[in-house]
Amino acid sequence: GESVGLHLPTLSVQEGDNSIINCAYSNSASDYFIWYKQESGKGPQFIIDIRSNMDKRQGQRVTVLLNKTVKHLSLQIAATQPGDSAVYFCAEQGRGTYKYIFGTGTRLKVLA
Amino acid sequence: ETGVTQTPRHLVMGMTNKKSLKCEQHLGHNAMYWYKQSAKKPLELMFVYSLEERVENNSVPSRFSPECPNSSHLFLHLHTLQPEDSALYLCASSQDRQSNQPQHFGDGTRLSIL
Repeated sequence: GESVGLHLPTLSVQEGDNSIINCAYSNSASDYFIWYKQESGKGPQFIIDIRSNMDKRQGQRVTVLLNKTVKHLSLQIAATQPGDSAVYFCAEQGRGTYKYIFGTGTRLKVLA
Repeated sequence: ETGVTQTPRHLVMGMTNKKSLKCEQHLGHNAMYWYKQSAKKPLELMFVYSLEERVENNSVPSRFSPECPNSSHLFLHLHTLQPEDSALYLCASSQDRQSNQPQHFGDGTRLSIL
């Protein structure tokens, strides 16, 4: 979920389990969404995107779900691996604009 | 070469110093961006360039001065910074300044102001 306050929410999962990271976006007019992964000491890395005319999109080991009714976006990671440990944040974009609204992120910790 | 390269990776400077951050993208993109990332806060858009023309200056103090000599290079010139300017400065690029395009980020410059 998105951070309110000083501390990033943290999700701890066992290696091999599935992870679900959630994002509540702010603008009902947003029509393009991205998930980014940011590892320690690195910049945000594009994972997957989805347009508002879709409910679900799958990549390699990742799935993004979009629920426009409740303005909710989720990232599912299958068979979570130690290399998946990072901060994940969503970004939303309104129709016709290049600007993004970024979330503060969720820290994913993978336990061996 | 990685897609978006930023140098230096780390920079420590005093408040009276002048320094510059450099960004280079090897993706053939036409739009480039500067963002500030502070701890536990969302990314803040600072400047946007499209085909070397500045199209956005997001109420950034004048002690930050961007420069885009060509579509592959972007600089951020720093002068008389304040301690609250300590942050990770990220450069990004996208194909064009259009919607429905992902922005690709460099690994940033970690800036510390003494």
